[in-house]
Amino acid sequence: DGGITQSPKYLFRKEGQNVTLSCEQNLNHDAMYWYRQDPGQGLRLIYYSQIVNDFQKGDIAEGYSVSREKKESFPLTVTSAQKNPTAFYLCASSSLGTSTGELFFGEGSRLTVL
Amino acid sequence: AQSVAQPEDQVNVAEGNPLTVKCTYSVSGNPYLFWYVQYPNRGLQFLLKYITGDNLVKGSYGFEAEFNKSQTSFHLKKPSALVSDSALYFCAVRDFTGGGNKLTFGTGTQLKVEL
Repeated sequence: DGGITQSPKYLFRKEGQNVTLSCEQNLNHDAMYWYRQDPGQGLRLIYYSQIVNDFQKGDIAEGYSVSREKKESFPLTVTSAQKNPTAFYLCASSSLGTSTGELFFGEGSRLTVL
Repeated sequence: AQSVAQPEDQVNVAEGNPLTVKCTYSVSGNPYLFWYVQYPNRGLQFLLKYITGDNLVKGSYGFEAEFNKSQTSFHLKKPSALVSDSALYFCAVRDFTGGGNKLTFGTGTQLKVEL
C-alpha cells in the first residue's frame, strides 16, 4: 500500500542524546515536511523539503536537523540543543506542480526525553 | 502571514445532533483551506478542502464545510454526529511563502460526541 512510514512509534532518550526519527514515503511525492505537535498548540513546522538535497527551515527549526538524500526519505534528527524535545512528531508529504496542496501524514513518532 | 484560528478548545454534542466546529482565517489573497481529523496517537487524516468554486464543500465521513468570505470563516459541519466522530479536528491554511505546500494549522478543537 502507498503511504508514509514513520519509525519508531515510541522513543525514549536521556537528556543530551541526539535521536533520529525516520520518515519514508512511497507516494512519489516531491515535497516532505516535519511538524511538531504539543498539546494545545496545534502543529508547528520544523523543516520542509521540495527536492532532493535541498530543504528549508520552518518556524521552529532550532535544535533540529534534516537531510534529503533520496526522494523517498526525510529523516529528522533531534539534537541535544533542542531545549524541550518531548513531543509528538509528524512527517508529511505532498505532490507539487498542479497539486492543490493537501498533505498526507504518517502515524507519528512520540519522543520522550527522560 | 497566513493564519487560522479555532476559537473552541472543545465542542460537546449529543449523538444524532448536528455539529459545528468553527474556524476563521486571515490571509492575503485567496485562501486554500483544509480540515483534518486526528484520533489519539495517530497521524492526521484529510477530510476536505476549499480551493475555489462552490462555498459548500463536501468531504469524507459525511462532513462538509462552508466557506464564507465576508466572515472569513470555514466552519466544519455534520448533520448528524456519531460517537465515532469524537476526535481532534484541525483547520489549516496553505502558506505560499517560500514555496512548497506548507500548511499553517490552528490549535485544534476536541470534539466529544456523547450518547
